[in-house]
Amino acid sequence: DSGVTQTPKHLITATGQRVTLRCSPRSGDLSVYWYQQSLDQGLQFLIHYYNGEERAKGNILERFSAQQFPDLHSELNLSSLELGDSALYFCASSVDPSGRITDTQYFGPGTRLTVL
Amino acid sequence: ELKVEQNPLFLSMQEGKNYTIYCNYSTTSDRLYWYRQDPGKSLESLFVLLSNGAVKQEGRLMASLDTKARLSTLHITAAVHDLSATYFCAGMNTGNQFYFGTGTSLTVIP
Repeated sequence: DSGVTQTPKHLITATGQRVTLRCSPRSGDLSVYWYQQSLDQGLQFLIHYYNGEERAKGNILERFSAQQFPDLHSELNLSSLELGDSALYFCASSVDPSGRITDTQYFGPGTRLTVL
Repeated sequence: ELKVEQNPLFLSMQEGKNYTIYCNYSTTSDRLYWYRQDPGKSLESLFVLLSNGAVKQEGRLMASLDTKARLSTLHITAAVHDLSATYFCAGMNTGNQFYFGTGTSLTVIP
C-alpha cells in the first residue's frame, strides 16, 4: 500500500459526460502528478501540482482540467468524454520539499475509466 | 518533445541469467526515472537518476545514466521469477514534463 488513494476505482460512463477523479496523496507529500495509461497511447504525463500550484502540464487535453486543494488532495476533471478517453488514470505523490522533482513518486491504485 | 525509446519491448530470460534493458532519449533530459508495473497493478518507482554517471542499485536491479550518450540502462542480475513485470523508463525535460518509453515486458522463466 503506497499510501496514495484514488476514488473511484472504476467508472463507466457515456460519451459526452463529465467525470471527476479524486486523489489523496500520502500524508506530507506536496506534489501530485496525474498520468493516463491506455493501450493506444501508452503512459502519458498529464499534469503536476505542487502545494496547490500547477507546475507542469503534459499532454492534457483542453477538455481535461485538474486542481490541488489546500488540503493537498487533487481532482482531475474530464469533460465531453470520448471513447478514446477510456484508460487507466493514475495519480502519484512525492514530498519534493524544495519544489524540485527529485523524490520517489508513490502511485495510487488508479481509476479505470470506461467510456461507452 | 523528448522522445524516449526502450528496448527490447519483450524480454524472456531464464532464471539466474543477466540482462540489460536500454532506454535512449532524444534531447537533454534533466533526470531519468525507472518504474515497474505488475500485470493489472499500478506503477512502482524504482530509481531516480539525477546526474551523469549516476548509478543506483536495489537488490538484483541496477540503473545507470549516461547523459552524454543520452542512455540509461537497467541491469538485471541473476534474474528470479519475482522480477517478471513491465519496466518503464521516463525522462523529464527542462519544462518538468515526463515522457515515457513504451515499456519492456520481462518474463523470467524457471
